[in-house]
Amino acid sequence: DTEVTQTPKHLVMGMTNKKSLKCEQHMGHRAMYWYKQKAKKPPELMFVYSYEKLSINESVPSRFSPECPNSSLLNLHLHALQPEDSALYLCASREGGLPNEKLFFGSGTQLSVL
Amino acid sequence: DAKTTQPNSMESNEEEPVHLPCNHSTISGTDYIHWYRQLPSQGPEYVIHGLTSNVNNRMASLAIAEDRKSSTLILHRATLRDAAVYYCILSPRGSNYKLTFGKGTLLTVNP
Repeated sequence: DTEVTQTPKHLVMGMTNKKSLKCEQHMGHRAMYWYKQKAKKPPELMFVYSYEKLSINESVPSRFSPECPNSSLLNLHLHALQPEDSALYLCASREGGLPNEKLFFGSGTQLSVL
Repeated sequence: DAKTTQPNSMESNEEEPVHLPCNHSTISGTDYIHWYRQLPSQGPEYVIHGLTSNVNNRMASLAIAEDRKSSTLILHRATLRDAAVYYCILSPRGSNYKLTFGKGTLLTVNP
């Protein structure tokens, strides 16, 4: 199984809602990533978890709250988002922290904030 | 962070070779060069990576300059399914898990 599964595929939420994005992999990877991608732009790194601990936070606003409950699962909790947060949210995983390891991406969650 | 520079767009004809360039003049000696591509409405997918020597796999070839300040992704026979945004990324050694995407090259393949 070389897949990274993201759910839901699409999400529409209001600015006062609380929602969560889910990402799962069963490749035994110990590094998991959240990227945000606006239309026609490259993915922007948000968070990295390594061995279930947050290792990188790219100064992301606190309305985005990541969680890594176990080595296979990564969540992104969303609260009080703004319309400009509408984007494709991509999850990725990697075996560890070696530079020759490749990233495996999910197909993303397309988020619309109304 | 070491940065990469790629042309915004390139165009090719089907069944012809495509050479996608990437400049990374501030690369450090232990950075790996990775290439990913993103098809419309999908997440990025891995294409190829290398350190110093040229690399081949079933998808593409990677040619790395001797001074490692540039590299070229080679698609030997472009197909319509190769139309995508191609990203060149530097992957650093050490405890740094950071992988930052540059702007990428939009490849259009004409039938």
